[in-house]
Amino acid sequence: ILNVEQSPQSLHVQEGDSTNFTCSFPSSNFYALHWYRWETAKSPEALFVMTLNGDEKKKGRISATLNTKEGYSYLYIKGSQPEDSATYLCAFGYYGQNFVFGPGTRLSVLP
Amino acid sequence: SAVISQKPSRDICQRGTSLTIQCQVDSQVTMMFWYRQQPGQSLTLIATANQGSEATYESGFVIDKFPISRPNLTFSTLTVSNMSPEDSSIYLCSVRGQMYEAFFGQGTRLTVV
Repeated sequence: ILNVEQSPQSLHVQEGDSTNFTCSFPSSNFYALHWYRWETAKSPEALFVMTLNGDEKKKGRISATLNTKEGYSYLYIKGSQPEDSATYLCAFGYYGQNFVFGPGTRLSVLP
Repeated sequence: SAVISQKPSRDICQRGTSLTIQCQVDSQVTMMFWYRQQPGQSLTLIATANQGSEATYESGFVIDKFPISRPNLTFSTLTVSNMSPEDSSIYLCSVRGQMYEAFFGQGTRLTVV
């Protein structure tokens, strides 16, 4: 059984604060690590797909890093805004199209 | 990218009844995926639907409970049969992009009473 963990489970921050979450995954049979943002009443949306150890990706105020040897990825949000409030999911990809999702980190950004 | 239209968006159903969820994709895709997220749990893959063949079910999911149709390359349905309160979940259909990233429908929020 592949275990993907995310921490914290939930997080409340003030508007303007920077924050980060962790995704832990198996360090063997690695293919890709995905991050998704899932806003209430909407579809989960892909943020990043990372495949190489040491990868860093950035999209606006959101960035992510990847360490495949130790099995973790960080997602950073700089200067959080209320519209960043969502559940952030990571997914461990192995053998191409197979994913295991983590339970998610629920972020609330308070104005 | 892919745009997926999923319906219904939510439903409240009586136990013992069945609900069919539909997904329409704006492009032809080989595989469609059906997921479930029970309250407080991770998104879990139910089955993979290929056009022209039977769906492949993950451990713990069976065809009698979750029959799937895949009549063409742009459409699939998932039926939740003989529902019980434990089936209350968000159900999502999904396809893969070129980077194997997942594109999802809007989800069906099911409550079984």
